[in-house]
Amino acid sequence: DAGITQSPRHKVTETGTPVTLRCHQTENHRYMYWYRQDPGHGLRLIHYSYGVKDTDKGEVSDGYSVSRSKTEDFLLTLESATSSQTSVYFCAIRVGTSGVTDTQYFGPGTRLTVL
Amino acid sequence: AQTVTQSQPEMSVQEAETVTLSCTYDTSESDYYLFWYKQPPSRQMILVIRQEAYKQQNATENRFSVNFQKAAKSFSLKISDSQLGDAAMYFCAYRIPDKLIFGTGTRLQVFP
Repeated sequence: DAGITQSPRHKVTETGTPVTLRCHQTENHRYMYWYRQDPGHGLRLIHYSYGVKDTDKGEVSDGYSVSRSKTEDFLLTLESATSSQTSVYFCAIRVGTSGVTDTQYFGPGTRLTVL
Repeated sequence: AQTVTQSQPEMSVQEAETVTLSCTYDTSESDYYLFWYKQPPSRQMILVIRQEAYKQQNATENRFSVNFQKAAKSFSLKISDSQLGDAAMYFCAYRIPDKLIFGTGTRLQVFP
């Protein structure tokens, strides 16, 4: 347990509605990540943050935005949800700064269904 | 572009036996890190083992070990004395600066 929580754990929403997922960590790690997991694709990086107000895009960032106003919280927003964004979303933190100790640990995931 | 390939979508093993899950990757980097994660039905992603590319010695964690072949860009996971609790999805991952690139996963079934 790396002290990561995600909320909500499950959400069903309708196409076109905004959705915000929250990731919270208790250990003040600098790097935080959002991934999505889909069958046949493994985990794919959406966005990541390397500090308060510092974020960058991953490989599947279209349709998503993020914000990090505090070290402990990293928010993922779907401005207008689409059915293609139905997925399981994982938050991760990066523990360590370099070398073998530089490892990502994951939260429990959020299952999002867009109808 | 860096890619990670897991060519076995599903594998099965009998309890107490040994199984090997394969992973290959593509990179032009010389220094990097490789990981295996396990995802049981609970959906939690759990780190199993990690390997530094500059180390020739294969990493080992209890019943889990890797066969790292740098020239072949291969990073297989061996599970010895398989247990029912080993049944899960297993993901291979390659780390580039700041990011992880994942393979598509191998589903391991363990039969009693």
